[in-house]
Amino acid sequence: ETGVTQTPRHLVMGMTNKKSLKCEQHLGHNAMYWYKQSAKKPLELMFVYNFKEQTENNSVPSRFSPECPNSSHLFLHLHTLQPEDSALYLCASSQDSSGGNTGELFFGEGSRLTVL
Amino acid sequence: GENVEQHPSTLSVQEGDSAVIKCTYSDSASNYFPWYKQELGKGPQLIIDIRSNVGEKKDQRIAVTLNKTAKHFSLHITETQPEDSAVYFCAASKGQAGTALIFGKGTTLSVSS
Repeated sequence: ETGVTQTPRHLVMGMTNKKSLKCEQHLGHNAMYWYKQSAKKPLELMFVYNFKEQTENNSVPSRFSPECPNSSHLFLHLHTLQPEDSALYLCASSQDSSGGNTGELFFGEGSRLTVL
Repeated sequence: GENVEQHPSTLSVQEGDSAVIKCTYSDSASNYFPWYKQELGKGPQLIIDIRSNVGEKKDQRIAVTLNKTAKHFSLHITETQPEDSAVYFCAASKGQAGTALIFGKGTTLSVSS
């Protein structure tokens, strides 16, 4: 148990569906992240939130829409996805230290998304 | 931006042997280099990290070395055990507020008994 919980663990959706992934951290961290993990590719950073403010959007298509209502919760809203978006989506959190996020990332177990 | 290259992509060793995984990074401003282990069905977990003011760090059977001049760092696992079988990722960061880790592609380590 890493203190970062992701739901659902598995999701199958059609290209016209709208769904959301949820992440909750119980570690008191201030920074939260979405990463995409595809086969034979590096973990791809998607979004970074620091104290609820989005600080990085790594050229992610608009069909992925993040939301961070508070420092403990992070959502990824999905709309009109493509089959190539099928992947494991990992949420992570870290304690923002003075000078930046140099600390350990704590990952959830991921949400396995399949787009038909 | 930062680019992290990791080699090899797969590594098979006999139990008790040593395993070495190597990474290079492109941004000389990077100053934090962690290694993560990902077991099947789980998210990555930090196993060891090193900062740019240190050349080597050890934790029991695991060690990491850093060569800032050459911009590469390595993970060394000694006396490997079957439970070391997993995917290992290296990463690099500049440690600035709001930035995040950039990961290598990963190395699948298989330890056979």
